[in-house]
Amino acid sequence: EPEVTQTPSHQVTQMGQEVILRCVPISNHLYFYWYRQILGQKVEFLVSFYNNEISEKSEIFDDQFSVERPDGSNFTLKIRSTKLEDSAMYFCASSGRDHLYQETQYFGPGTRLLVL
Amino acid sequence: EDKVVQSPLSLVVHEGDTVTLNCSYEVTNFRSLLWYKQEKKAPTFLFMLTSSGIEKKSGRLSSILDKKELSSILNITATQTGDSAIYLCAVPVSGGSNYKLTFGKGTLLTVNP
Repeated sequence: EPEVTQTPSHQVTQMGQEVILRCVPISNHLYFYWYRQILGQKVEFLVSFYNNEISEKSEIFDDQFSVERPDGSNFTLKIRSTKLEDSAMYFCASSGRDHLYQETQYFGPGTRLLVL
Repeated sequence: EDKVVQSPLSLVVHEGDTVTLNCSYEVTNFRSLLWYKQEKKAPTFLFMLTSSGIEKKSGRLSSILDKKELSSILNITATQTGDSAIYLCAVPVSGGSNYKLTFGKGTLLTVNP
């Protein structure tokens, strides 16, 4: 069964460093998302992406964050200068073979980011 | 502000018990409600509910939506230790050309042997 994959599974970085989290969405999906979950808290929406542009972003998604779909398969989240409070599990999700299935989002296994 | 509230926040049962998890929502332009199971990592999709009163079933799990009460329940019968997980309720909220999910805090279910 097709699934969303993410790499790396864990990333440890120093404050101020840049990180890139990678995702391969389900191949025929059209809508892509990043969410994060700080330990013990809710899953929170970061950004959605469709047709090679950002559809919506949350307040968390400030200028330090960017997303890209550099080719037909990968979807990346870049954090330019990491802060301690960026430590969280980051989930990629994809959805939407067509309008009817757009809302059902399928999640990858996540990248655990630890900023020291 | 869109809101999804789940109860209880945690629940401990014995194998074989039946459990009912609750989710209530306040969102504008409601379209659907989704249930996910989160074990160690990724939320795994369980159900999407769009119509009130129509039960969705998958094995020992079932779920139903009540649009009048703005709520949904997830039932698990004859629980097994493998059902131990966090169960998440989420509601898609329209954002431009697609939907972002607003999640509840989840219900942590522990099934003891």
